Parts: sequence; C-alpha cells; structure tokens
Amino acid sequence: EAGVAQSPRYKIIEKRQSVAFWCNPISGHATLYWYQQILGQGPKLLIQFQNNGVVDDSQLPKDRFSAERLKGVDSTLKIQPAKLEDSAVYLCASSLDWQQGRYGYTFGSGTRLTVV
Amino acid sequence: EDQVTQSPEALRLQEGESSSLNCSYTVSGLRGLFWYRQDPGKGPEFLFTLYSAGEEKEKERLKATLTKKESFLHITAPKPEDSATYLCAVHSSGSARQLTFGSGTQLTVLP
Repeated sequence: EAGVAQSPRYKIIEKRQSVAFWCNPISGHATLYWYQQILGQGPKLLIQFQNNGVVDDSQLPKDRFSAERLKGVDSTLKIQPAKLEDSAVYLCASSLDWQQGRYGYTFGSGTRLTVV
Repeated sequence: EDQVTQSPEALRLQEGESSSLNCSYTVSGLRGLFWYRQDPGKGPEFLFTLYSAGEEKEKERLKATLTKKESFLHITAPKPEDSATYLCAVHSSGSARQLTFGSGTQLTVLP
C-alpha cells in the first residue's frame, strides 16, 4: 500500500512569513496526526483528526498554527507568522484504529522547516 | 502528565556487540508502549507494540520487553544497518488519544 505522502520535503522561510504543509494519509485511515519534531527531541503531537473532525488540538499554538482536513482525507498545516523556534520537522501520521493503536501509526517522511 | 525517558542518549557498538536500550515511563494507565526506528531524513517506522508487563516481541535482531515501569529494546549481534534513532512512545488512558514520545537513543553500529 502507498505510504503517507507529505510535501514539500524542505522549506526555508524568513521569520514572520507564512508557510503551509500538505499531507495525504494512507487510504482508509480515518485518524490523522500532525507532529512537530525539534532536532534531538522526540515528536510532539500538535493536532489529531478523526475523519474531518478535530479530536485533540490542545498542544497546537493556535495564535499562529492552524490545520484542516477537508473531506476527511488530505490535510494542511499552516503557520502564520513563523518564528525562529518553529524550525523543526513536521511529521504527518495516520492510523486505522486510534483507540488502541494496535496497527501502529504510519508516519510520512516529514517536512523540514527552517526559519531564518 | 505522561513522561517517557530514554537512555542512553547515544550508543556506539561494534558489529556483533549486543546491548540494550532503556525506556522508562510514568503514565496513568498504560494502553500500549511503542517502539519506532527513525533513519535520518525519514519519519519513524513502527517496530513493536507491547500491552502488558511480561510481554515480549521479536523481529530479526531486535527483542522488546516490558515491565510495569520500563521497556527494553535488546539488540543481538547488531549490524551497521541497525544504525538509527530508536524512539519509545506510550499510549495511556490519561491521554488516550495521543502518543507521548521519548527523545530517542541514537544507535551507531561500527563495522
């Protein structure tokens, strides 16, 4: 089966600019996650969708970050305006069974964002 | 709040030199403990899920075990291709809808 697709792979922007990331999950996976991974750290959950509804966005900095999942499939994550501390890899993951995670979460390769 | 601590931060082994990675956790009701492998420039790749103390799972040279406070990832006779960062994550009833990750152990296996 095709994996989780993300684009772009790399992005360099200046602080205060805006940026958007795109994710296409595995077909049939109802649950979609966006994680932020700062260099040398483990991934941190930003937002979780079940179909096209938000399940958990408690760790999303809502003053600058936004995310949507149209029609319960693709998702976009936006940062506006970006800060230097937003430099990180943004990972998208999808899951078939969110309650148990028994199938594991399948991650995309991520988008590496550098804010200068 | 769920906490996951991995040790050591980095580990260098000679090819064939077996060792273990540690993942200590504090959660309110463990629903599952996950191990992932992450290669540079790639997303984490799922390895194992463990659900209860005493459970063990194996895959090639890797074996994961679980107690009530920690999990170990044993690597037997590692090869250079086992070099990667190994991440541990927990899925708990306290935060039932997300994984909490540790910072990982960066493993380097020298030929």
